Amino acid sequence: DAGVIQSPRHEVTEMGQEVTLRCKPISGHDYLFWYRQTMMRGLELLIYFNNNVPIDDSGMPEDRFSAKMPNASFSTLKIQPSEPRDSAVYFCASRSAVNTEAFFGQGTRLTVV
Amino acid sequence: SQQGEEDPQALSIQEGENATMNCSYKTSINNLQWYRQNSGRGLVHLILIRSNEREKHSGRLRVTLDTSKKSSSLLITASRAADTASYFCGNAGGTSYGKLTFGQGTILTVHP
Repeated sequence: DAGVIQSPRHEVTEMGQEVTLRCKPISGHDYLFWYRQTMMRGLELLIYFNNNVPIDDSGMPEDRFSAKMPNASFSTLKIQPSEPRDSAVYFCASRSAVNTEAFFGQGTRLTVV
Repeated sequence: SQQGEEDPQALSIQEGENATMNCSYKTSINNLQWYRQNSGRGLVHLILIRSNEREKHSGRLRVTLDTSKKSSSLLITASRAADTASYFCGNAGGTSYGKLTFGQGTILTVHP
């Protein structure tokens, strides 16, 4: 398996534009996590899914953020409209069960200008 | 942070010395996981300790867990320059089953 795959690796967009980040988890993994990492706030859990169902989205900062998992092999995190304070590295991770390790993607570095 | 605090925030040591990092958490846990992050990369899992375990070893890594104090420590023995990275503890538990949250991490620098 190629691991967790995120795209794009880098994204530069203008304030107000819609941004879509993509993630392909490891095949057979039941859990998928979206994190945001900044120097100021560290690594924040935004939302996670179990068997494609969102379980906890309490970390999503505001209504501008939305996440979907239409099937077991694909998830998106959308920001609309984007703002400069959304600039961060966004990580996707997956794991097979609760008592197992999580595997992280390489991240998407988002810059909103 | 979402799950607790790690200390120290930064640690600088010489090659060959031991490095100890601590993690405190706020909620109940199912297990606690330690990860490493090299600059610009995703987190990589190092070791997992379950809530009913008190100590675990893996190579040069030793992890302890004290559930009464809601704390864990990661010891890296005989450190190498290649151990330079950020280290995070992940709390698998909390208010939602299956949740995995992280502290702010410890930046470890090992000087050759």
